Amino acid sequence: AQKITQTQPGMFVQEKEAVTLDCTYDTSDPSYGLFWYKQPSSGEMIFLIYQGSYDQQNATEGRYSLNFQKARKSANLVISASQLGDSAMYFCAMREGGRGSTLGRLYFGRGTQLTVWP
Amino acid sequence: DTAVSQTPKYLVTQMGNDKSIKCEQNLGHDTMYWYKQDSKKFLKIMFSYNNKELIINETVPNRFSPKSPDKAHLNLHINSLELGDSAVYFCASSQRPGEQPQHFGDGTRLSIL
Repeated sequence: AQKITQTQPGMFVQEKEAVTLDCTYDTSDPSYGLFWYKQPSSGEMIFLIYQGSYDQQNATEGRYSLNFQKARKSANLVISASQLGDSAMYFCAMREGGRGSTLGRLYFGRGTQLTVWP
Repeated sequence: DTAVSQTPKYLVTQMGNDKSIKCEQNLGHDTMYWYKQDSKKFLKIMFSYNNKELIINETVPNRFSPKSPDKAHLNLHINSLELGDSAVYFCASSQRPGEQPQHFGDGTRLSIL
């Protein structure tokens, strides 16, 4: 079974609008972390936001927020006020185990290509 | 200052050759990783080292051999390159295993002719 599922291969949004990128995950470990990374066409991987499984509040970082619904095992990324520079591939990822776990691998989803149009 | 740097950025070579990719991080992190991103953009971990010790070794052909001379460096050597090795290889680091976020290098695009 896939650990991370991103069901939207591509999304389009108009500049200044908000957009939600979907992510569901699968784990039986009570302790885990969820991440979003952005990969622009230039290829680098940019960390955006992190949510721990025990965090009570949804994570926010500037225009990025993570809509964490634990019971549904979803961790959707919300980008508010989209900008042209937000056009990129977005990856959801999960780390199983708590911080410091030696099994610190990240499982990545297949990504969502976001295109922001003027 | 570049936090995680990989060299070379591009590597074009023929099938059967041996090549190395170097990675260095100046963040003082204990843990380093190698990931492979295939042509469909799927990222998968290959190896992880913590303080020069191998802690993660996914199902990777033994033609791939990581080497960590010190905790700031994690190099990847690939023997007898095959067409299927064409991909982008990312190095990453984190303070400790499982710590977040992982800081990624800019990637090395390997193309096998």
